[in-house]
Amino acid sequence: QQQVKQSPQSLIVQKGGISIINCAYENTAFDYFPWYQQFPGKGPALLIAIRPDVSEKKEGRFTISFNKSAKQFSLHIMDSQPGDSATYFCAAENSGGYQKVTFGTGTKLQVIP
Amino acid sequence: SAVISQKPSRDICQRGTSLTIQCQVDSQVTMMFWYRQQPGQSLTLIATANQGSEATYESGFVIDKFPISRPNLTFSTLTVSNMSPEDSSIYLCSVEGWDRNEQFFGPGTRLTVL
Repeated sequence: QQQVKQSPQSLIVQKGGISIINCAYENTAFDYFPWYQQFPGKGPALLIAIRPDVSEKKEGRFTISFNKSAKQFSLHIMDSQPGDSATYFCAAENSGGYQKVTFGTGTKLQVIP
Repeated sequence: SAVISQKPSRDICQRGTSLTIQCQVDSQVTMMFWYRQQPGQSLTLIATANQGSEATYESGFVIDKFPISRPNLTFSTLTVSNMSPEDSSIYLCSVEGWDRNEQFFGPGTRLTVL
């Protein structure tokens, strides 16, 4: 019940295209859903996050769509750039009490010129 | 935000030896977390370290194998004991942000056990 399932495992997108990564969770106690971006040799860094009281959050070219009833959320990267090439992890947290982040399995994105 | 440094950045070790990884934060934090990330895999929480108390270990991780110290609010160490090739991984420390939701990660320690 603590799992967060993420797909696809890898993704190749042309420059200027839209990258879409999907995640699904089971635990209804999760109330915070961040996305982390990790470049090779670096630790993950928070990219964007959403709470379940909204269905969409947009920051620049990055948008999270959230479907509470389906227990699914996705990351959309508009106008994808080669600099976006990285591994993306979705995650889920229950922010009340003991904080523990459950990470998805990761998506390796490659944006080709 | 928090700036986190880890030492060493990478190491190659022999089977049966131990390695201690250091994590230094540029501000005082209550909770520090240690993660393992195997090549091409997701992050798995090893333990949570609060200053002044015993670390809390996740299922599958034990103190004898991964002893943790947390002597003050800006520093922690993780020791990987009696290493085997299966311990080859990236070890990351992280801390909570001010709002307790965002986590800031160190750059990681890449460990190879021969």
